[in-house]
Amino acid sequence: EVQVEESGGGLVQPGGSLRLSCAASGFTFSSYAMSWVRQAPGKGLEWVSAISSRGSSTYYVDSVKGRFTISRDNSKNTLYVQMNSLRAEDTAVYYCAKGPKEGAFDSWGQGTLVTVSS
Amino acid sequence: QSVLTQPPSVSAAPGQKVTISCSGSSSNIGNNYVSWYQQLPGTAPKLLIYENTKRPSGIPDRFSGSKSGTSATLDITGLQTGDEADYYCGTWDSSLSVGVFGGGTKLTAL
Repeated sequence: EVQVEESGGGLVQPGGSLRLSCAASGFTFSSYAMSWVRQAPGKGLEWVSAISSRGSSTYYVDSVKGRFTISRDNSKNTLYVQMNSLRAEDTAVYYCAKGPKEGAFDSWGQGTLVTVSS
Repeated sequence: QSVLTQPPSVSAAPGQKVTISCSGSSSNIGNNYVSWYQQLPGTAPKLLIYENTKRPSGIPDRFSGSKSGTSATLDITGLQTGDEADYYCGTWDSSLSVGVFGGGTKLTAL
Protein backbone atom coordinates (compact mmCIF):
# COMPACT_ATOMS: atom_id res chain seq x y z
CA GLU A 1 0.00 0.00 0.00
CA VAL A 2 1.31 3.40 -0.99
CA GLN A 3 1.77 5.69 1.99
CA VAL A 4 3.21 9.15 2.47
CA GLU A 5 3.37 10.76 5.89
CA GLU A 6 4.33 14.33 6.67
CA SER A 7 5.96 15.62 9.83
CA GLY A 8 7.62 18.76 11.11
CA GLY A 9 4.79 21.26 11.20
CA GLY A 10 4.20 23.64 14.06
CA LEU A 11 4.06 27.24 15.20
CA VAL A 12 6.83 29.55 14.02
CA GLN A 13 7.32 33.28 14.22
CA PRO A 14 7.35 35.47 11.11
CA GLY A 15 10.82 35.39 9.58
CA GLY A 16 11.53 32.00 11.09
CA SER A 17 12.37 28.67 9.52
CA LEU A 18 10.92 25.17 9.50
CA ARG A 19 11.76 21.92 7.74
CA LEU A 20 9.02 19.52 6.77
CA SER A 21 9.66 15.85 6.04
CA CYS A 22 7.63 13.27 4.17
CA ALA A 23 8.31 9.56 4.66
CA ALA A 24 7.21 7.39 1.76
CA SER A 25 6.56 3.65 1.57
CA GLY A 26 4.83 1.09 -0.59
CA PHE A 27 6.33 2.20 -3.91
CA THR A 28 9.72 2.73 -5.56
CA PHE A 29 10.30 6.24 -4.23
CA SER A 30 13.29 6.92 -6.46
CA SER A 31 11.17 6.43 -9.59
CA TYR A 32 8.66 9.19 -8.95
CA ALA A 33 8.55 12.96 -8.85
CA MET A 34 7.21 14.31 -5.56
CA SER A 35 5.48 17.52 -4.59
CA TRP A 36 4.31 19.73 -1.77
CA VAL A 37 0.79 21.17 -1.95
CA ARG A 38 -0.64 23.51 0.68
CA GLN A 39 -4.07 24.60 1.78
CA ALA A 40 -4.57 27.76 3.82
CA PRO A 41 -7.40 27.65 6.38
CA GLY A 42 -10.73 27.67 4.57
CA LYS A 43 -9.06 28.04 1.17
CA GLY A 44 -8.35 25.88 -1.86
CA LEU A 45 -5.35 23.80 -2.87
CA GLU A 46 -2.14 25.54 -3.91
CA TRP A 47 0.72 23.65 -5.51
CA VAL A 48 3.98 24.76 -3.88
CA SER A 49 6.92 22.80 -5.24
CA ALA A 50 7.98 19.65 -7.06
CA ILE A 51 11.19 17.67 -7.49
CA SER A 52 12.09 15.15 -10.15
CA SER A 53 12.69 11.50 -9.32
CA ARG A 54 16.47 11.86 -9.04
CA GLY A 55 16.35 15.36 -7.57
CA SER A 56 18.03 16.99 -10.52
CA SER A 57 15.13 19.33 -11.31
CA THR A 58 13.09 21.45 -8.93
CA TYR A 59 10.09 23.70 -9.46
CA TYR A 60 8.46 26.36 -7.27
CA VAL A 61 5.44 28.61 -7.21
CA ASP A 62 6.56 32.25 -7.47
CA SER A 63 5.46 33.14 -3.94
CA VAL A 64 8.01 30.77 -2.34
CA LYS A 65 10.93 31.08 -4.76
CA GLY A 66 14.10 31.99 -2.92
CA ARG A 67 12.58 31.09 0.45
CA PHE A 68 11.68 27.37 0.15
CA THR A 69 13.99 24.58 -0.95
CA ILE A 70 12.69 21.15 -1.87
CA SER A 71 14.98 18.14 -1.66
CA ARG A 72 14.87 14.37 -1.36
CA ASP A 73 16.94 11.50 -0.04
CA ASN A 74 16.17 8.45 -2.14
CA SER A 75 18.23 6.24 0.17
CA LYS A 76 15.82 7.13 2.98
CA ASN A 77 12.62 7.35 0.89
CA THR A 78 12.10 10.83 2.27
CA LEU A 79 11.06 14.17 0.80
CA TYR A 80 11.86 17.48 2.45
CA VAL A 81 11.07 21.14 2.17
CA GLN A 82 13.18 23.74 3.96
CA MET A 83 11.07 26.85 4.56
CA ASN A 84 12.88 30.08 5.43
CA SER A 85 11.75 33.67 5.91
CA LEU A 86 8.27 32.44 6.73
CA ARG A 87 5.35 34.84 6.42
CA ALA A 88 1.85 34.85 7.84
CA GLU A 89 0.52 33.96 4.39
CA ASP A 90 2.49 30.69 4.49
CA THR A 91 0.14 29.45 7.21
CA ALA A 92 -1.48 26.32 5.82
CA VAL A 93 -1.75 22.57 5.96
CA TYR A 94 1.12 21.22 3.88
CA TYR A 95 0.50 17.99 1.99
CA CYS A 96 3.11 15.70 0.55
CA ALA A 97 1.91 14.22 -2.74
CA LYS A 98 3.26 11.53 -5.06
CA GLY A 99 3.61 13.06 -8.49
CA PRO A 100 3.08 14.80 -10.71
CA LYS A 101 2.85 11.94 -13.15
CA GLU A 102 1.21 13.22 -16.31
CA GLY A 103 0.08 16.11 -14.11
CA ALA A 104 -1.67 14.02 -11.47
CA PHE A 105 -0.95 13.48 -7.79
CA ASP A 106 -2.07 9.95 -7.01
CA SER A 107 -1.33 9.66 -3.30
CA TRP A 108 -1.49 12.26 -0.56
CA GLY A 109 -0.46 12.37 3.07
CA GLN A 110 -2.73 13.52 5.85
CA GLY A 111 -0.99 16.90 5.98
CA THR A 112 0.94 18.84 8.60
CA LEU A 113 -0.12 22.26 9.84
CA VAL A 114 2.29 25.18 9.68
CA THR A 115 1.24 28.29 11.57
CA VAL A 116 3.26 31.47 11.15
CA SER A 117 2.36 33.91 13.90
CA SER A 118 3.92 36.02 16.60
CA GLN B 1 -7.18 34.13 -8.16
CA SER B 2 -6.67 30.57 -9.41
CA VAL B 3 -5.18 29.80 -12.83
CA LEU B 4 -7.98 27.32 -13.49
CA THR B 5 -11.58 28.50 -13.12
CA GLN B 6 -14.26 26.40 -11.43
CA PRO B 7 -17.74 27.35 -10.21
CA PRO B 8 -17.66 27.94 -6.43
CA SER B 9 -20.60 25.65 -5.80
CA VAL B 10 -22.98 23.20 -7.45
CA SER B 11 -25.94 21.30 -6.08
CA ALA B 12 -28.33 18.59 -7.12
CA ALA B 13 -30.76 16.16 -5.58
CA PRO B 14 -29.63 12.67 -4.63
CA GLY B 15 -29.79 10.36 -7.62
CA GLN B 16 -29.35 13.17 -10.10
CA LYS B 17 -26.36 14.12 -12.26
CA VAL B 18 -24.06 17.03 -11.56
CA THR B 19 -21.39 18.58 -13.77
CA ILE B 20 -18.39 20.58 -12.60
CA SER B 21 -16.48 22.62 -15.15
CA CYS B 22 -12.83 23.66 -15.19
CA SER B 23 -11.55 26.31 -17.59
CA GLY B 24 -7.94 27.08 -18.36
CA SER B 25 -5.71 28.08 -21.24
CA SER B 26 -3.52 26.62 -23.96
CA SER B 27 -0.49 26.53 -21.65
CA ASN B 28 -2.20 24.33 -19.10
CA ILE B 29 -5.36 22.38 -19.91
CA GLY B 30 -4.93 22.87 -23.64
CA ASN B 31 -1.66 20.95 -23.76
CA ASN B 32 -1.63 18.77 -20.65
CA TYR B 33 -3.68 16.09 -18.95
CA VAL B 34 -6.30 17.14 -16.39
CA SER B 35 -6.87 15.42 -13.07
CA TRP B 36 -9.69 15.76 -10.55
CA TYR B 37 -9.61 15.46 -6.76
CA GLN B 38 -12.25 14.95 -4.10
CA GLN B 39 -11.72 16.41 -0.65
CA LEU B 40 -14.20 15.27 1.95
CA PRO B 41 -14.57 17.52 5.01
CA GLY B 42 -11.52 17.36 7.26
CA THR B 43 -9.59 14.95 5.04
CA ALA B 44 -6.79 15.02 2.49
CA PRO B 45 -7.56 15.26 -1.22
CA LYS B 46 -8.04 12.00 -3.13
CA LEU B 47 -7.41 11.43 -6.83
CA LEU B 48 -10.66 10.79 -8.71
CA ILE B 49 -9.69 11.17 -12.36
CA TYR B 50 -6.32 11.28 -14.11
CA GLU B 51 -5.23 11.74 -17.71
CA ASN B 52 -8.55 13.50 -18.43
CA THR B 53 -10.76 10.41 -18.31
CA LYS B 54 -9.16 7.56 -16.35
CA ARG B 55 -10.27 6.38 -12.90
CA PRO B 56 -7.89 4.92 -10.31
CA SER B 57 -8.88 1.53 -9.00
CA GLY B 58 -11.66 1.79 -6.44
CA ILE B 59 -13.25 4.92 -7.90
CA PRO B 60 -16.85 4.16 -8.96
CA ASP B 61 -17.83 4.64 -12.60
CA ARG B 62 -20.38 7.21 -11.41
CA PHE B 63 -17.44 9.60 -11.68
CA SER B 64 -16.27 10.47 -15.20
CA GLY B 65 -14.07 13.12 -16.76
CA SER B 66 -13.71 14.69 -20.15
CA LYS B 67 -11.67 17.40 -21.83
CA SER B 68 -12.19 19.59 -24.85
CA GLY B 69 -9.73 22.27 -25.87
CA THR B 70 -8.93 24.41 -22.84
CA SER B 71 -11.77 23.14 -20.66
CA ALA B 72 -12.48 19.99 -18.70
CA THR B 73 -15.54 18.55 -17.01
CA LEU B 74 -16.22 16.20 -14.13
CA ASP B 75 -19.57 14.41 -14.20
CA ILE B 76 -21.07 12.65 -11.21
CA THR B 77 -24.14 10.53 -11.83
CA GLY B 78 -26.42 8.90 -9.28
CA LEU B 79 -25.47 11.57 -6.75
CA GLN B 80 -25.18 10.36 -3.16
CA THR B 81 -25.12 12.36 0.06
CA GLY B 82 -21.68 10.90 0.67
CA ASP B 83 -20.43 12.73 -2.44
CA GLU B 84 -20.75 16.07 -0.63
CA ALA B 85 -17.23 17.43 -0.76
CA ASP B 86 -14.96 19.95 -2.41
CA TYR B 87 -13.77 19.04 -5.89
CA TYR B 88 -10.64 20.40 -7.54
CA CYS B 89 -9.28 20.18 -11.05
CA GLY B 90 -5.55 20.26 -11.60
CA THR B 91 -2.93 20.13 -14.30
CA TRP B 92 0.58 21.29 -15.18
CA ASP B 93 1.24 24.66 -16.78
CA SER B 94 3.95 24.17 -19.39
CA SER B 95 4.71 27.88 -19.81
CA LEU B 96 5.13 28.57 -16.10
CA SER B 97 6.53 25.10 -15.19
CA VAL B 98 4.22 24.95 -12.19
CA GLY B 99 1.36 22.81 -11.02
CA VAL B 100 -2.01 24.55 -11.04
CA PHE B 101 -5.36 23.86 -9.41
CA GLY B 102 -8.81 25.28 -9.78
CA GLY B 103 -10.30 27.22 -6.90
CA GLY B 104 -12.48 24.29 -5.93
CA THR B 105 -16.19 23.55 -6.19
CA LYS B 106 -18.33 22.72 -3.19
CA LEU B 107 -20.87 20.04 -4.03
CA THR B 108 -24.09 19.90 -2.06
CA ALA B 109 -26.61 17.08 -2.33
CA LEU B 110 -29.92 18.79 -1.67
